[in-house]
Amino acid sequence: GNSVTQMEGPVTLSEEAFLTINCTYTATGYPSLFWYVQYPGEGLQLLLKATKADDKGSNKGFEATYRKETTSFHLEKGSVQVSDSAVYFCALTDYNNNDMRFGAGTRLTVKP
Amino acid sequence: DTAVSQTPKYLVTQMGNDKSIKCEQNLGHDTMYWYKQDSKKFLKIMFSYNNKELIINETVPNRFSPKSPDKAHLNLHINSLELGDSAVYFCASSQGEWLAALGDEQFFGPGTRLTVL
Repeated sequence: GNSVTQMEGPVTLSEEAFLTINCTYTATGYPSLFWYVQYPGEGLQLLLKATKADDKGSNKGFEATYRKETTSFHLEKGSVQVSDSAVYFCALTDYNNNDMRFGAGTRLTVKP
Repeated sequence: DTAVSQTPKYLVTQMGNDKSIKCEQNLGHDTMYWYKQDSKKFLKIMFSYNNKELIINETVPNRFSPKSPDKAHLNLHINSLELGDSAVYFCASSQGEWLAALGDEQFFGPGTRLTVL
């Protein structure tokens, strides 16, 4: 079956630090991959996505590359801000198997 | 303009009661979802509807019953509430038929925090 594994949090960084949140997946088909962000007290919002191998999704300074060889979709940002403090979810949807999965979420706190 | 709205935002009730959470989307989307997020932030899909037809029904107690009166609404009714039902429930929608929607962005509502005493 399909699954998504994210690095456990919480992650605490200082402003302007480099961010990496690891995400690996297991899929029987050819999934699309997503990163969603949940700010305190709000619903999830799409941050970026990639629909096929080697695609790079990017938005608001965040990037993630769909790596089929390592089954990974790690989220990176070169310089985090306090406003990036949120919970980040990696997710996959599998067209062939009619399935979608979310990772457990990683809480990021950025301190000034 | 709110794209996906849920009511109520907070719901506190006693064990054994029956309650409903309403969801409406004004995006013209064909597919709607209900998710449960537990206290550890783990997000699990419960149901998915496409054009008023049930597509996904994960392993959820049959005390939970979704109802879709039209394409823009997907309500969640819960019978005989239990302590373990306490969570935040999110409604979401995406464009297109279910299979096409898998690659689409989902738009989430603000959530309903349910507390069962």
